[in-house]
Formats: sequence, C-alpha cells, structure tokens
Amino acid sequence: DGGITQSPKYLFRKEGQNVTLSCEQNLNHDAMYWYRQDPGQGLRLIYYSQIVNDFQKGDIAEGYSVSREKKESFPLTVTSAQKNPTAFYLCASSIEHTNTEAFFGQGTRLTVV
Amino acid sequence: AQTVTQSQPEMSVQEAETVTLSCTYDTSESNYYLFWYKQPPSRQMILVIRQEAYKQQNATENRFSVNFQKAAKSFSLKISDSQLGDTAMYFCAFMNYGNKLVFGAGTILRVKS
Repeated sequence: DGGITQSPKYLFRKEGQNVTLSCEQNLNHDAMYWYRQDPGQGLRLIYYSQIVNDFQKGDIAEGYSVSREKKESFPLTVTSAQKNPTAFYLCASSIEHTNTEAFFGQGTRLTVV
Repeated sequence: AQTVTQSQPEMSVQEAETVTLSCTYDTSESNYYLFWYKQPPSRQMILVIRQEAYKQQNATENRFSVNFQKAAKSFSLKISDSQLGDTAMYFCAFMNYGNKLVFGAGTILRVKS
C-alpha cells in the first residue's frame, strides 16, 4: 500500500541533544513538508522541499535542519538550538504543481526532558 | 508571505444543523489552491474539500461546500446536516504554485446530540 510513514511515533530526548525524525513516502510525490503542532494550535511550516536536493525554509525553521537526498525521504533534525522542541511533528507529501491533496503521516510526538 | 487566518477558535452545532467555519487568507499571487482539512482526535489529517483559485464555481463534496470569494480573499466551509463524526479540528490551508502549503490556526468544531 502506498503511503507516508513517520517514525518513531513517540520520541524522548534529553535537553541539548540533537534528534532526527524520519519521514518516508512511496507515493512518488515530489513535494514533502514538515510541520510542528503545539497543543490546541495549528500546523506551522518548518521546511518544505519541491525536489530532491532542494528545500526551502518555512515560517519556523530556526533550530531545525533537513535533507532531501532521495525522493522518498525527508528527515528532520531538531537541533539543540531549538528553544522549545517538545511538540507533535507532522510530515506530508504532495504531487508538485497540482491541487491534489497533501498526504500526511501519523506524526511523531517529541518530548524533551 | 502567505498567511491564513481562522477567526473562530471554537464552534458548536446541534446534530443535523448547519454550521459555517470562516477563513481568510492573504497573498499577492493570483493562482493558488485552497483546502479544508479535518483533524479528529486521532490526529490523522483528512482532506475535506479543495478549490482552485481560477475556478469561480464553489466546490462541493456531499455535505461540505465552500463559499470562495477571491476578491475578499475569503474561503468559508459550510457543513450541512452535521453529524457527531464531524467533531474535529478543522484547518484552512493555502498552497501557492511553488508548493508552499500553509495552514491556519484551526477551529475546533463540536457537534452536540
């Protein structure tokens, strides 16, 4: 079955450590996205990528980094520079330049202690 | 930069009645896409309805319809014959032709029996 997979579902890390969240899709989508969702809040765009080896900052990119070495994969690293990393992170993908819906993963809940 | 504003943090409606959720957006672009997504307690993002900005006709999907006013930059969602399963967080979203997909802060909708 085609879809978008985020792992792990829950992640705990100590303050000051970098952590990488995984996002893989087998939908052959060109565009991929990372969002952060805080309790009761909307989705805020961290980074997005339209094509392999290219990505753009979203509205809250500070303290995060991404790579897009393969079409299927768009990992997100939460660095120690991110002041308040505890949140729910959603990855999504879509076909480029269409109004086709973005497909979302199940999300990763990151807790920094 | 594109922004999406949802001015109603919470709404409630009686089962079988009609409710309208508001959304406004800001962009200098003339071509773009608009979406409404639903996020139930499971946190899985589900597409409700989509609209292309170049189409004047309002999109309709069963009990869901939109009122798209391009000049006013308004994109409201009407839910008819509300059902208990419609209880969720609803997000309005904007995508430009560069595939940047941004969301509003969301509206919590509670359907009461």
